Amino acid sequence: ETGVTQSPTHLIKTRGQQVTLRCSSQSGHNTVSWYQQALGQGPQFIFQYYREEENGRGNFPPRFSGLQFPNYSSELNVNALELDDSALYLCASSLDKGGTDTQYFGPGTRLTVL
Amino acid sequence: DAKTTQPNSMESNEEEPVHLPCNHSTISGTDYIHWYRQLPSQGPEYVIHGLTSNVNNRMASLAIAEDRKSSTLILHRATLRDAAVYYCILRDWDNTGKLIFGQGTTLQVKP
Repeated sequence: ETGVTQSPTHLIKTRGQQVTLRCSSQSGHNTVSWYQQALGQGPQFIFQYYREEENGRGNFPPRFSGLQFPNYSSELNVNALELDDSALYLCASSLDKGGTDTQYFGPGTRLTVL
Repeated sequence: DAKTTQPNSMESNEEEPVHLPCNHSTISGTDYIHWYRQLPSQGPEYVIHGLTSNVNNRMASLAIAEDRKSSTLILHRATLRDAAVYYCILRDWDNTGKLIFGQGTTLQVKP
Protein backbone atom coordinates (compact mmCIF):
# COMPACT_ATOMS: atom_id res chain seq x y z
CA GLU A 1 0.00 0.00 0.00
CA THR A 2 1.49 3.36 -1.05
CA GLY A 3 1.27 6.17 1.45
CA VAL A 4 0.58 9.82 0.81
CA THR A 5 3.17 11.45 -1.42
CA GLN A 6 3.79 15.11 -2.17
CA SER A 7 5.82 16.96 -4.76
CA PRO A 8 8.01 18.86 -4.94
CA THR A 9 9.89 18.46 -1.66
CA HIS A 10 11.18 22.02 -1.65
CA LEU A 11 10.35 25.07 -3.68
CA ILE A 12 11.64 28.64 -3.80
CA LYS A 13 9.51 31.38 -5.33
CA THR A 14 9.51 35.16 -5.33
CA ARG A 15 6.77 37.43 -4.11
CA GLY A 16 3.90 37.81 -6.58
CA GLN A 17 4.52 34.51 -8.35
CA GLN A 18 2.14 31.56 -8.46
CA VAL A 19 2.83 28.03 -7.22
CA THR A 20 1.24 24.57 -7.63
CA LEU A 21 1.81 21.80 -5.11
CA ARG A 22 0.78 18.20 -5.71
CA CYS A 23 -0.46 15.39 -3.52
CA SER A 24 -1.22 11.73 -4.21
CA SER A 25 -3.63 10.24 -1.72
CA GLN A 26 -3.34 6.83 -0.12
CA SER A 27 -4.92 4.00 -2.07
CA GLY A 28 -8.66 3.78 -1.43
CA HIS A 29 -8.94 7.28 0.06
CA ASN A 30 -11.35 9.72 -1.58
CA THR A 31 -10.71 12.76 0.61
CA VAL A 32 -7.71 15.10 0.68
CA SER A 33 -7.15 17.92 3.16
CA TRP A 34 -4.48 20.58 2.91
CA TYR A 35 -2.73 22.25 5.83
CA GLN A 36 -0.23 25.08 6.18
CA GLN A 37 2.40 24.84 8.91
CA ALA A 38 4.41 27.96 9.69
CA LEU A 39 7.73 27.49 11.46
CA GLY A 40 7.23 26.57 15.11
CA GLN A 41 3.45 26.33 14.82
CA GLY A 42 0.95 23.52 14.47
CA PRO A 43 -0.60 22.89 11.05
CA GLN A 44 -3.62 25.00 10.06
CA PHE A 45 -6.44 23.66 7.90
CA ILE A 46 -6.68 25.29 4.47
CA PHE A 47 -9.42 23.27 2.74
CA GLN A 48 -10.60 19.79 1.94
CA TYR A 49 -11.59 18.06 -1.30
CA TYR A 50 -14.03 15.17 -1.41
CA ARG A 51 -14.81 13.40 -4.67
CA GLU A 52 -13.49 16.35 -6.73
CA GLU A 53 -15.51 19.02 -4.87
CA GLU A 54 -14.36 21.44 -2.19
CA ASN A 55 -15.86 20.29 1.09
CA GLY A 56 -14.94 22.97 3.58
CA ARG A 57 -12.42 25.73 3.94
CA GLY A 58 -10.42 27.29 6.73
CA ASN A 59 -9.58 30.96 7.18
CA PHE A 60 -7.50 31.39 4.02
CA PRO A 61 -8.00 33.95 1.23
CA PRO A 62 -9.33 32.99 -2.24
CA ARG A 63 -5.83 33.12 -3.73
CA PHE A 64 -5.45 29.68 -2.13
CA SER A 65 -7.32 27.30 -4.40
CA GLY A 66 -7.30 23.62 -5.17
CA LEU A 67 -8.36 20.78 -7.37
CA GLN A 68 -9.01 17.11 -6.95
CA PHE A 69 -8.78 14.71 -9.85
CA PRO A 70 -10.79 11.56 -10.62
CA ASN A 71 -7.99 9.42 -9.15
CA TYR A 72 -8.35 11.53 -5.95
CA SER A 73 -4.94 13.12 -6.24
CA SER A 74 -5.00 16.84 -5.52
CA GLU A 75 -3.32 20.16 -6.22
CA LEU A 76 -2.96 23.26 -4.08
CA ASN A 77 -2.50 26.51 -6.01
CA VAL A 78 -1.41 29.76 -4.44
CA ASN A 79 -1.53 32.97 -6.49
CA ALA A 80 0.18 36.30 -5.81
CA LEU A 81 2.60 34.79 -3.31
CA GLU A 82 3.38 36.80 -0.19
CA LEU A 83 6.34 36.45 2.15
CA ASP A 84 4.04 35.05 4.86
CA ASP A 85 3.15 32.14 2.58
CA SER A 86 6.55 30.64 3.39
CA ALA A 87 5.66 27.44 5.22
CA LEU A 88 5.46 23.67 5.11
CA TYR A 89 2.39 22.60 3.14
CA LEU A 90 0.97 19.26 4.18
CA CYS A 91 -1.68 17.17 2.56
CA ALA A 92 -3.56 14.41 4.32
CA SER A 93 -5.85 11.77 2.90
CA SER A 94 -8.65 9.93 4.63
CA LEU A 95 -11.10 7.17 3.77
CA ASP A 96 -14.05 9.52 3.78
CA LYS A 97 -15.01 13.09 4.57
CA GLY A 98 -16.30 14.19 7.91
CA GLY A 99 -16.48 12.30 11.15
CA THR A 100 -13.32 11.48 13.00
CA ASP A 101 -11.53 9.30 10.47
CA THR A 102 -7.77 9.06 10.79
CA GLN A 103 -5.92 11.41 8.47
CA TYR A 104 -2.73 10.16 6.85
CA PHE A 105 -0.21 12.88 6.12
CA GLY A 106 2.43 13.22 3.46
CA PRO A 107 5.91 14.53 4.22
CA GLY A 108 5.04 18.03 3.04
CA THR A 109 6.37 20.60 0.59
CA ARG A 110 8.60 23.32 2.02
CA LEU A 111 7.79 26.60 0.23
CA THR A 112 10.09 29.59 0.61
CA VAL A 113 8.93 32.95 -0.74
CA LEU A 114 11.66 35.56 -1.23
CA ASP B 1 -14.13 24.25 19.03
CA ALA B 2 -13.04 22.98 22.43
CA LYS B 3 -9.41 23.75 23.22
CA THR B 4 -6.59 21.72 24.70
CA THR B 5 -3.66 22.80 26.87
CA GLN B 6 -0.34 20.99 26.77
CA PRO B 7 3.09 21.74 28.23
CA ASN B 8 5.40 23.28 25.64
CA SER B 9 8.16 20.75 26.20
CA MET B 10 9.11 17.66 28.17
CA GLU B 11 12.23 15.56 28.57
CA SER B 12 12.59 11.84 29.05
CA ASN B 13 15.34 9.29 29.30
CA GLU B 14 15.55 6.49 26.80
CA GLU B 15 13.77 3.26 27.82
CA GLU B 16 11.79 5.02 30.56
CA PRO B 17 8.03 5.62 30.49
CA VAL B 18 6.76 9.04 29.42
CA HIS B 19 3.47 10.60 30.47
CA LEU B 20 2.32 13.46 28.26
CA PRO B 21 -0.57 15.42 29.81
CA CYS B 22 -3.38 17.27 28.08
CA ASN B 23 -6.06 19.43 29.68
CA HIS B 24 -9.41 19.91 27.94
CA SER B 25 -11.75 21.33 30.55
CA THR B 26 -14.37 22.46 28.00
CA ILE B 27 -14.67 19.07 26.30
CA SER B 28 -18.17 18.17 25.13
CA GLY B 29 -19.81 14.79 25.50
CA THR B 30 -19.28 13.95 21.83
CA ASP B 31 -15.64 15.03 21.53
CA TYR B 32 -13.14 12.29 20.85
CA ILE B 33 -9.60 12.77 22.19
CA HIS B 34 -7.03 12.19 19.46
CA TRP B 35 -3.25 12.24 19.61
CA TYR B 36 -0.99 12.80 16.64
CA ARG B 37 2.76 13.24 16.63
CA GLN B 38 5.12 14.89 14.19
CA LEU B 39 8.64 13.54 13.90
CA PRO B 40 11.31 15.95 12.62
CA SER B 41 10.98 16.69 8.90
CA GLN B 42 7.83 14.57 8.56
CA GLY B 43 4.09 15.09 8.44
CA PRO B 44 1.99 14.33 11.52
CA GLU B 45 1.04 10.72 12.19
CA TYR B 46 -1.86 9.26 14.12
CA VAL B 47 -1.01 7.79 17.51
CA ILE B 48 -4.20 6.90 19.35
CA HIS B 49 -7.70 8.11 20.18
CA GLY B 50 -10.44 7.48 22.71
CA LEU B 51 -13.79 8.71 23.98
CA THR B 52 -14.26 7.63 27.60
CA SER B 53 -12.36 4.45 28.32
CA ASN B 54 -8.60 3.99 28.45
CA VAL B 55 -7.15 2.71 25.19
CA ASN B 56 -4.05 0.76 24.25
CA ASN B 57 -2.39 0.12 20.92
CA ARG B 58 1.04 -0.91 19.76
CA MET B 59 2.35 2.64 19.91
CA ALA B 60 0.97 3.97 23.18
CA SER B 61 -1.73 4.02 25.83
CA LEU B 62 -4.29 6.75 26.43
CA ALA B 63 -5.56 7.32 29.95
CA ILE B 64 -8.71 9.45 30.16
CA ALA B 65 -9.83 11.04 33.41
CA GLU B 66 -13.24 10.04 34.69
CA ASP B 67 -14.62 13.57 34.15
CA ARG B 68 -12.89 13.66 30.73
CA LYS B 69 -11.40 17.08 31.47
CA SER B 70 -7.88 15.73 31.04
CA SER B 71 -6.03 12.85 29.45
CA THR B 72 -2.52 11.42 29.38
CA LEU B 73 -0.64 9.81 26.53
CA ILE B 74 1.68 7.14 27.85
CA LEU B 75 4.71 5.88 25.97
CA HIS B 76 5.76 2.81 27.91
CA ARG B 77 9.43 2.78 26.93
CA ALA B 78 10.64 5.89 25.16
CA THR B 79 13.13 5.45 22.34
CA LEU B 80 15.15 8.10 20.54
CA ARG B 81 12.72 7.68 17.65
CA ASP B 82 9.88 8.95 19.88
CA ALA B 83 11.39 12.45 19.95
CA ALA B 84 8.67 14.49 18.28
CA VAL B 85 5.97 17.12 18.78
CA TYR B 86 2.88 15.49 20.28
CA TYR B 87 -0.50 17.06 19.61
CA CYS B 88 -3.63 16.43 21.67
CA ILE B 89 -6.71 17.23 19.55
CA LEU B 90 -10.42 17.13 20.33
CA ARG B 91 -12.58 15.96 17.45
CA ASP B 92 -16.34 16.07 17.21
CA TRP B 93 -18.29 15.09 14.14
CA ASP B 94 -17.54 17.72 11.55
CA ASN B 95 -18.37 17.82 7.86
CA THR B 96 -14.68 17.90 7.03
CA GLY B 97 -13.19 15.99 9.94
CA LYS B 98 -10.49 18.65 9.97
CA LEU B 99 -7.80 18.52 12.64
CA ILE B 100 -7.32 21.63 14.76
CA PHE B 101 -3.74 21.61 15.99
CA GLY B 102 -2.44 23.59 18.96
CA GLN B 103 1.21 24.13 19.79
CA GLY B 104 1.73 20.58 21.03
CA THR B 105 4.40 19.24 23.40
CA THR B 106 7.94 18.85 22.13
CA LEU B 107 9.32 15.64 23.62
CA GLN B 108 13.07 15.30 23.91
CA VAL B 109 14.44 11.81 24.61
CA LYS B 110 17.93 11.59 26.10
CA PRO B 111 20.11 8.51 25.57
